[in-house]
Amino acid sequence: AQSVTQLGSHVSVSEGALVLLRCNYSSSVPPYLFWYVQYPNQGLQLLLKYTSAATLVKGINGFEAEFKKSETSFHLTKPSAHMSDAAEYFCAVMLYAGGTSYGKLTFGQGTILTVHP
Amino acid sequence: NAGVMQNPRHLVRRRGQEARLRCSPMKGHSHVYWYRQLPEEGLKFMVYLQKENIIDESGMPKERFSAEFPKEGPSILRIQQVVRGDSAAYFCASSPRQGQNSPLHFGNGTRLTVT
Repeated sequence: AQSVTQLGSHVSVSEGALVLLRCNYSSSVPPYLFWYVQYPNQGLQLLLKYTSAATLVKGINGFEAEFKKSETSFHLTKPSAHMSDAAEYFCAVMLYAGGTSYGKLTFGQGTILTVHP
Repeated sequence: NAGVMQNPRHLVRRRGQEARLRCSPMKGHSHVYWYRQLPEEGLKFMVYLQKENIIDESGMPKERFSAEFPKEGPSILRIQQVVRGDSAAYFCASSPRQGQNSPLHFGNGTRLTVT
């Protein structure tokens, strides 16, 4: 079975500071990993994805994540936080079974990012 | 280029009533997924449908819940005889094909409140 664990349900940073949101995965096969962002009362928006190509993945809004197989991690980072980054962030792993993958995602519990001036 | 459209945005039902949630996927997308976000629980997969077919319903409660994606028209998630525990945000997502290179596009959700 595949799963993800997000460490820290709440992260608070100052504007301009580094953002680091942690995600560890468990998978018996090479995983497909995603980060999504959810703003209040909205759906989820894809930030970036890892699908076994480059281990350092760049996404939208200046975010990036690095896939580290040895650490089973896929942490999300942004060098300099902006007030508009305040939202909830979800790490997710895609089901891959029998040679087929589709949009059955297993999500982490989410991390609420607060950015203060 | 409209995204995934869900309606209604908010739905209030009394216990025992039926709730019908609608989802129109993005243009050209024939794969639809429903997820539920319960308070304090995060998002959970419910069901995966292609046109006229249920592919994976492993996340659907065994009773009172059903989903369809007809040849014409939106996908419908139907909850019969709602209970307070059904109160949640229900999200629909769509993709043009299977595979890891075809990520999901989510709608803004329907927030169901059962009184």
